[in-house]
Amino acid sequence: LAKTTQPISMDSYEGQEVNITCSHNNIATNDYITWYQQFPSQGPRFIIQGYKTKVTNEVASLFIPADRKSSTLSLPRVSLSDTAVYYCLVGGKYGNKLVFGAGTILRVKS
Amino acid sequence: DAGVIQSPRHEVTEMGQEVTLRCKPISGHNSLFWYRQTMMRGLELLIYFNNNVPIDDSGMPEDRFSAKMPNASFSTLKIQPSEPRDSAVYFCASSLTGSSIQPQHFGDGTRLSIL
Repeated sequence: LAKTTQPISMDSYEGQEVNITCSHNNIATNDYITWYQQFPSQGPRFIIQGYKTKVTNEVASLFIPADRKSSTLSLPRVSLSDTAVYYCLVGGKYGNKLVFGAGTILRVKS
Repeated sequence: DAGVIQSPRHEVTEMGQEVTLRCKPISGHNSLFWYRQTMMRGLELLIYFNNNVPIDDSGMPEDRFSAKMPNASFSTLKIQPSEPRDSAVYFCASSLTGSSIQPQHFGDGTRLSIL
């Protein structure tokens, strides 16, 4: 399983765009990159997933460069309710396990 | 649609007692996962099932822990005897298939405190 590295914490203000970068130097050819969000007292929630280039949904965008050794989760115009822990995970289509790292604590201030 | 349902939400018991945590996965999901979350160790996968069969229990801490999935709509995680170091939040998650690229849907967890 490819190991991921992401910042321990980030601070932002309401209305700003937040970019959280994850490093996964040992990503395998079959691996996808998936991001989860966890609010206090709740289980993690799937946000977005991608294999290469750019993926966008109603919540976030995911940017993956050509070498796929890193990825960036972009949250447009964050609000206080986006304060959460964000996890970057890497896993293959034929794998079964998700390994959660420490995640990035995002604090959004008013 | 109902999400993953876990019970109880909170459990406080004395060490040595048996603890049973329950999970109802999303209907139609074939894979079920049990996780444990603590401040020190983060979110750890304990065991997962595919089609009610345990596939990988390498994350189960020791013999005091056991998990069953008697049917597609119910799973239990038991700790017997419980110890204070078992105090944690236990999450159950389910996904459509066992592939790691399938989104996992988590319940709200059971906060377990062993005194």
